[in-house]
Amino acid sequence: DTAVSQTPKYLVTQMGNDKSIKCEQNLGHDTMYWYKQDSKKFLKIMFSYNNKELIINETVPNRFSPKSPDKAHLNLHINSLELGDSAVYFCASSQSGVSGNTIYFGEGSWLTVV
Amino acid sequence: AQRVTQPEKLLSVFKGAPVELKCNYSYSGSPELFWYVQYSRQRLQLLLRHISRESIKGFTADLNKGETSFHLKKPFAQEEDSAMYYCALTYLIQGAQKLVFGQGTRLTINP
Repeated sequence: DTAVSQTPKYLVTQMGNDKSIKCEQNLGHDTMYWYKQDSKKFLKIMFSYNNKELIINETVPNRFSPKSPDKAHLNLHINSLELGDSAVYFCASSQSGVSGNTIYFGEGSWLTVV
Repeated sequence: AQRVTQPEKLLSVFKGAPVELKCNYSYSGSPELFWYVQYSRQRLQLLLRHISRESIKGFTADLNKGETSFHLKKPFAQEEDSAMYYCALTYLIQGAQKLVFGQGTRLTINP
């Protein structure tokens, strides 16, 4: 049973295309996140949703639009893909309310824009 | 501003040697600090957190508030310890945790 699962794992697409990455968690958590890991392996938060409400929105281009249909899902849609969007995108989840709660990560989605 | 610094991008040691991965942080409140590990092309996994003061896979980390450090240590490195290690601090924003990661240290254990 995978706790946080995201699809697709690998995605190669052309510049200008629109693509989506889906994420689902079966841990019963109420908070979900998207993180980006760039080519230098640097990890940075992009978004966080708590009970389907957007809580954290870092300085991410508005070509990136997260959507949370319910607490267990947080999808990431990217419009007009650019070369610089090539990265690994990690979905994650946690239970809200306590700062030290463990954040569980998905396996990552490797996006390559050509 | 909240910041985590891992000064070493790369660290290479021989099997059986001690390992120390450095982490310093900047945070105005009481930090919650973690170490995450990422094995080759796998998901990030929590290695340990400072509040539980546990030892996982032989690794320990002590929070030193005076030096604002949370260095990760292991007395005898093993080849399977080769991975990317991230130090992180977290704080709450309206119930959601914001994890701030350091730049990561790639640890290589040589046979």
